[in-house]
Amino acid sequence: GQQVMQIPQYQHVQEGEDFTTYCNSSTTLSNIQWYKQRPGGHPVFLIQLVKSGEVKKQKRLTFQFGEAKKNSSLHITATQTTDVGTYFCAGGTALNFGKGTSLSVTP
Amino acid sequence: DTGVSQNPRHKITKRGQNVTFRCDPISEHNRLYWYRQTLGQGPEFLTYFQNEAQLEKSRLLSDRFSAERPKGSFSTLEIQRTEQGDSAMYLCASSIRRLGASEQFFGPGTRLTVL
Repeated sequence: GQQVMQIPQYQHVQEGEDFTTYCNSSTTLSNIQWYKQRPGGHPVFLIQLVKSGEVKKQKRLTFQFGEAKKNSSLHITATQTTDVGTYFCAGGTALNFGKGTSLSVTP
Repeated sequence: DTGVSQNPRHKITKRGQNVTFRCDPISEHNRLYWYRQTLGQGPEFLTYFQNEAQLEKSRLLSDRFSAERPKGSFSTLEIQRTEQGDSAMYLCASSIRRLGASEQFFGPGTRLTVL
């Protein structure tokens, strides 16, 4: 079945540094969604990518969907302490989530 | 509050007991999903409904688990003969069906502890 892998599992940065997490699927995805989960919280939707090669930006966050629709990335520019949390990618209607990348930011 | 609600928020039970959780989705959402999440893992899909029809169920889901959405509104998830391995956060999410997938709105979850 479809498997979604994310790397790295953990990332620690100093505030102001950039951060990138990568998502890879074993099969072609019709779409990919990204969620953020704060410690003790529940996943919150960030964005959905549908088209091959699609790039979307939300302020300091840039999301990409690979040309083959099997990989995706999330890049955060100039991290802030409010970016702390775990970022998950997920594909399919009944979402198959990756294990997530846990981001910690030191002020 | 117009978000997804789940009850109870916490449940502690003894091994072998049955438990039932409830999820109330956002009112106009016709899709409802159940996930299970353990520490350090992403949410694991269990099952989902479109209106009252259960459209998909994880092959990994034990037959001790059953879910219903009798009137296409709230849903219940029952676990029979609980085991310690069932301890997890059970998340419910809802969405509106659109062409392709659409964003899911998650509830706060029910944390189950099986002693």
